[in-house]
Amino acid sequence: GENVEQHPSTLSVQEGDSAVIKCTYSDSASNYFPWYKQELGKGPQLIIDIRSNVGEKKDQRIAVTLNKTAKHFSLHITETQPEDSAVYFCAASQADMRFGAGTRLTVKP
Amino acid sequence: GAVVSQHPSWVICKSGTSVKIECRSLDFQATTMFWYRQFPKQSLMLMATSNEGSKATYEQGVEKDKFLINHASLTLSTLTVTSAHPEDSSFYICSAARREETQYFGPGTRLLVL
Repeated sequence: GENVEQHPSTLSVQEGDSAVIKCTYSDSASNYFPWYKQELGKGPQLIIDIRSNVGEKKDQRIAVTLNKTAKHFSLHITETQPEDSAVYFCAASQADMRFGAGTRLTVKP
Repeated sequence: GAVVSQHPSWVICKSGTSVKIECRSLDFQATTMFWYRQFPKQSLMLMATSNEGSKATYEQGVEKDKFLINHASLTLSTLTVTSAHPEDSSFYICSAARREETQYFGPGTRLLVL
């Protein structure tokens, strides 16, 4: 089955800096890669996703890149703000979706 | 994005009682609904997958007789924790998906069993 690894587990950045979270997956058949943001006490919210026929996708300050050959994908957040502080989960899916362990991002004002 | 609701948002119950959690997709018809459990500072653990009108598929190690799932319509799925015990205390989250795979999550239900 699919195995998703996510790094780092915690990330602290200064407001305005960029943050990068990386994930690797094991199943080459996976073709859908969403990223979720989870704030304390709430359910995960989809923030961006990418499919295997695309190498990069951007939505304002958030971008995701996918390297199918290396089987890894990354989330990039630019110009970070304190409200970006949350836990971020990557996931990989072909039939079943598997989640990474999560990254706790702290943006210091 | 699509909206998924859960009710109740939190519940406290006595050991041995049963608790029902509802998950609704408010603005779309969900072909599949998922139930997850999340312990503090941990990732999402998939418990079961349910398709409307059919029996749920449970992940290995999840007791189907303890966690009863009903998916009666394309907008409603329920999870019943039967004979709850303190070790069942957790954050339960549902998600709903249309055919194109994207899962939209509910806000979660925090269960505390005394």
